[in-house]
Amino acid sequence: AQKVTQAQTEISVVEKEDVTLDCVYETRDTTYYLFWYKQPPSGELVFLIRRNSFDEQNEISGRYSWNFQKSTSSFNFTITASQVVDSAVYFCALSENTGRRALTFGSGTRLQVQP
Amino acid sequence: GAGVSQSPSNKVTEKGKDVELRCDPISGHTALYWYRQSLGQGLEFLIYFQGNSAPDKSGLPSDRFSAERTGGSVSTLTIQRTQQEDSAVYLCASSLGLDRGLSDTQYFGPGTRLTVL
Repeated sequence: AQKVTQAQTEISVVEKEDVTLDCVYETRDTTYYLFWYKQPPSGELVFLIRRNSFDEQNEISGRYSWNFQKSTSSFNFTITASQVVDSAVYFCALSENTGRRALTFGSGTRLQVQP
Repeated sequence: GAGVSQSPSNKVTEKGKDVELRCDPISGHTALYWYRQSLGQGLEFLIYFQGNSAPDKSGLPSDRFSAERTGGSVSTLTIQRTQQEDSAVYLCASSLGLDRGLSDTQYFGPGTRLTVL
């Protein structure tokens, strides 16, 4: 069975601080995809990034960066110079290597960025 | 372009009543998913449709839950004889589908918040 663990339930930072959201996963599949989604107060899950199990290069998109380490089964997400608009719940997810490819989600990390 | 839409955005019902939740996927997406988000259980997979194939219902919590997808597009999730534990946000997602393999990315709608009194 697959599992995604986001140990940080809630993080509070002050604007312009850097913050890292942790994600640890378990799977027996050798091929899989990892995802991060953002859920702002409006409730809609917004896709942020997809990473496949064979690509361990770090990725940077503006203030966002992702660190995928297969050796530790982690896919951490860093926001640099956080802004109030970054306040949301962030979910890490793992795709099943089955026909349905349903996502297994972590429990989410609530990020509050104070002005 | 238009994203995934869901209706209603909020639904309040009485215990024992039936409810229908609607999802309109992104045009051209052949795969459609329903998930449920509740405080106690987090985000859970419910059901998966791929094109006109028979759906994968393995995530449905009980036989009171059913879903259909008409014409490979719009989907309706029906909950019969609602119970208080059915209170949750029901999220629909769509994706391009099988041809994309594991890289297929799911895009979510805004959800329907169901409250069973």
